[in-house]
Amino acid sequence: QVQLKESGPGLVQPSQTLSLTCTVAGFSLTSYNVHWVRQPPGKGLEWMGVIWNTGGTRYNSALKSRLSISKDTSKSQVFLKMNSLQTEDTATYYCARGRYYSGYYFDYWGQGVMVTVSS
Amino acid sequence: DIQMTQSPASLSASLGETVTIQCQASEDIYSGLAWYQQKPGKSPQLLIYGASSLQDGVPSRFSGSGSGTQYSLKISSMQTEDEGVYFCQQGLKYPFTFGSGTKLEIK
Repeated sequence: QVQLKESGPGLVQPSQTLSLTCTVAGFSLTSYNVHWVRQPPGKGLEWMGVIWNTGGTRYNSALKSRLSISKDTSKSQVFLKMNSLQTEDTATYYCARGRYYSGYYFDYWGQGVMVTVSS
Repeated sequence: DIQMTQSPASLSASLGETVTIQCQASEDIYSGLAWYQQKPGKSPQLLIYGASSLQDGVPSRFSGSGSGTQYSLKISSMQTEDEGVYFCQQGLKYPFTFGSGTKLEIK
């Protein structure tokens, strides 16, 4: 069945780079796009960016200068890298599979990985 | 960016009661709207996409409607398992944006 699972460090120091991996199963990255969404503790959801099945990317302009999304299709993995982390980047980071019907939506989500930015 | 305004921010409902949550977009999103339910410590789960299409496996007491800038999610008969936070999301224009959430509790 369709599964996504995020992995990465739980703690990152300010000004450092965050690296997360989303490992998917049950579908191919050559057929579906994968999005990253984050949620600060007790707050709402923020769309970060997407990597298309073609390998192209699109980022939230609020994060664009710091964010990079890539993938290894053979390993069914999607990677997120974000530099210059600050305390406000503390959040749970989710990867989600994207679909389209009148607009893009997310039909399967990973369990999320909590990332704390602190020295 | 398209702003998504949800209301109410919170509400409590009795078992069997009909619940309606509203979502207003700052511009026409042509039914490019999805609804999600999130329970504490869990990831969001898709309920509705395309404003009114029910995701597979979601109980039929959930329904979505609306067009243009105004959308709503209805739960026809509140159940205990429906407690959680509900988010709307527009998927028409980048960056995709979410409403601030509606916390639904049992009365």
